[in-house]
Amino acid sequence: GQNIDQPTEMTATEGAIVQINCTYQTSGFNGLFWYQQHAGEAPTFLSYNVLDGLEEKGRFSSFLSRSKGYSYLLLKELQMKDSASYLCAVRVSNYQLIWGAGTKLIIKP
Amino acid sequence: NAGVMQNPRHLVRRRGQEARLRCSPMKGHSHVYWYRQLPEEGLKFMVYLQKENIIDESGMPKERFSAEFPKEGPSILRIQQVVRGDSAAYFCASSRQGSQETQYFGPGTRLLVL
Repeated sequence: GQNIDQPTEMTATEGAIVQINCTYQTSGFNGLFWYQQHAGEAPTFLSYNVLDGLEEKGRFSSFLSRSKGYSYLLLKELQMKDSASYLCAVRVSNYQLIWGAGTKLIIKP
Repeated sequence: NAGVMQNPRHLVRRRGQEARLRCSPMKGHSHVYWYRQLPEEGLKFMVYLQKENIIDESGMPKERFSAEFPKEGPSILRIQQVVRGDSAAYFCASSRQGSQETQYFGPGTRLLVL
């Protein structure tokens, strides 16, 4: 079966750092994506990992461990506009993505 | 460069009516994917199309649902005889090529069946 787990909701403070975890058990693995989705809007691409290790892109970093079936998204210097849902998705074939239910991140002043 | 466009953004239908959802991919993209998202749930793959070809429709219900991506014009997701359980957000994504490419999403169509 295909399974992707992320926490349902997290709360953090403006200016702080937050780590959103994602664990997966899938029949195939061809890369892991993180998307950001504001309420009522389209998911927007944040990062892609296919090899183990950390990918840094500005305030956002994403980490992957294929042997552990584990990834995290790290957000630094949190801003109020970072309040959104963060979706973890695994590409299990050349094109098919399996999605987690998303983590709703609430930023408090 | 315009992003992925979907219309309508909101669609209200009564049970038994037909719903037609349209998706225009990003310029230069020839691969389209349709997903359904229920509240508090992840996106669920429905169908993957290239121009004039359905590549994978394994996530789409066999009855009442159909999709096309003609040579000219947008991709269409068609739901016949809608039921309340069809109420959801339907997202379209596109990629330049199918394999190994990042998918870029449209704003979605929110379908409400009364």
